[in-house]
Amino acid sequence: NAGVTQTPKFQVLKTGQSMTLQCAQDMNHNSMYWYRQDPGMGLRLIYYSASEGTTDKGEVPNGYNVSRLNKREFSLRLESAAPSQTSVYFCASGTGPNYGYTFGSGTRLTVV
Amino acid sequence: GQQLNQSPQSMFIQEGEDVSMNCTSSSIFNTWLWYKQDPGEGPVLLIALYKAGELTSNGRLTAQFGITRKDSFLNISASIPSDVGIYFCAGQWPGNTGKLIFGQGTTLQVKP
Repeated sequence: NAGVTQTPKFQVLKTGQSMTLQCAQDMNHNSMYWYRQDPGMGLRLIYYSASEGTTDKGEVPNGYNVSRLNKREFSLRLESAAPSQTSVYFCASGTGPNYGYTFGSGTRLTVV
Repeated sequence: GQQLNQSPQSMFIQEGEDVSMNCTSSSIFNTWLWYKQDPGEGPVLLIALYKAGELTSNGRLTAQFGITRKDSFLNISASIPSDVGIYFCAGQWPGNTGKLIFGQGTTLQVKP
């Protein structure tokens, strides 16, 4: 009963370092999403992939890149981390927004 | 950009009390969703609404899709300590390719 699995759960980076957040789902969902959560801001969409082979920008894409590796996996990359990217990152998957998403348990990232 | 206004931002109530929270938008939505986030976890879908005027219950939770399609509310009856968490509304508006937009969240604390 894995659902959506995110790795790592916690990470501390220095400004300028790069890293990739991994996400995998085992529910055969077509769509996958990356959100960031900041206090008082709710969940803001970074990038999404409506289907394998496609990716699109969300509300706050600057400083991030994504790769839809296959139907199961959708990774988020920070090329040069900045303190403003300190946040909790959630990956989600779904068959479409009308049916809601299944979220992972999050990656808590701190950039110092 | 498009925003959902969710209120109140936080609530501190006594166990056994009823709770009400709502979301409003400047645009009409096709779908309204309500999520709950437990501390340290990702959001979990509680209720999905698909038609204007629709009233849907899930145990002690009741949610309604506003007639104007620009608002929704969530009620929790007879609150218990495990209701503690952050509640998010989310909407998907017509013509969108599949993205959900989330409200800022309502943080609920329940005093035993």
